[in-house]
Amino acid sequence: SSELTQDPAVSVALGQTVRITCQGDSLRSYYASWYQQKPGQAPVLVIYGQNNRPSGIPDRFSGSSSGNTASLTITGAQAEDEADYYCNSRDSSGDHLVFGGGTKLTVL
Amino acid sequence: EVQLVESGGGLVQPGGSLRLSCAASGFTVSSNHMSWVRQAPGKGLEWVSLIYSGGNTYYADSVKGRFTISRDNSKNTLYLQMNSLRTEDTALYYCARVGDWMGFDYWGQGTLVTVSS
Repeated sequence: SSELTQDPAVSVALGQTVRITCQGDSLRSYYASWYQQKPGQAPVLVIYGQNNRPSGIPDRFSGSSSGNTASLTITGAQAEDEADYYCNSRDSSGDHLVFGGGTKLTVL
Repeated sequence: EVQLVESGGGLVQPGGSLRLSCAASGFTVSSNHMSWVRQAPGKGLEWVSLIYSGGNTYYADSVKGRFTISRDNSKNTLYLQMNSLRTEDTALYYCARVGDWMGFDYWGQGTLVTVSS
């Protein structure tokens, strides 16, 4: 079982804002990173650290954290944002890495 | 340009062994933290193993004692030796570079491992 918990599925209307959350005790000590994965493709890093976007990631993607919950927010969701989203961080021991179970985002 | 290319996957019987390779270009494997991540068919991502730039290694409980991560600095290549394979090890195996923040900034396209009799 994963030490990071995500909602299995979330939907958002085109152009609206959606928040995808990731919960876990280790998030009180470590930042989460977020990945977008489309069918048949490798994951792509979209947010890391406090709220950093790799080059090429649109600024509609942002990250935040509070207590044991990290969030990925997409402001003005686009059709191409429909994908699976995963969070990852260290586990509670700090020695291992862990992923959340993933959230399937549907853009309506 | 950073590139990671995995190879070595295939069909193996339960109890068998495979060695996966990940050839890197555009950066030096030994100067970076590197990891293997797997994804079973239709399932989520699962972290498998990590090797720090300093050489320390870590494994998920599900593979500890059976898998070994290593690197060849002369070939700029990361490896995953997988022994005593089980049907539940069937997955697409990705190698990825790990940033200091312990997230994965570059990924390969994966190599498929199927464990079946």
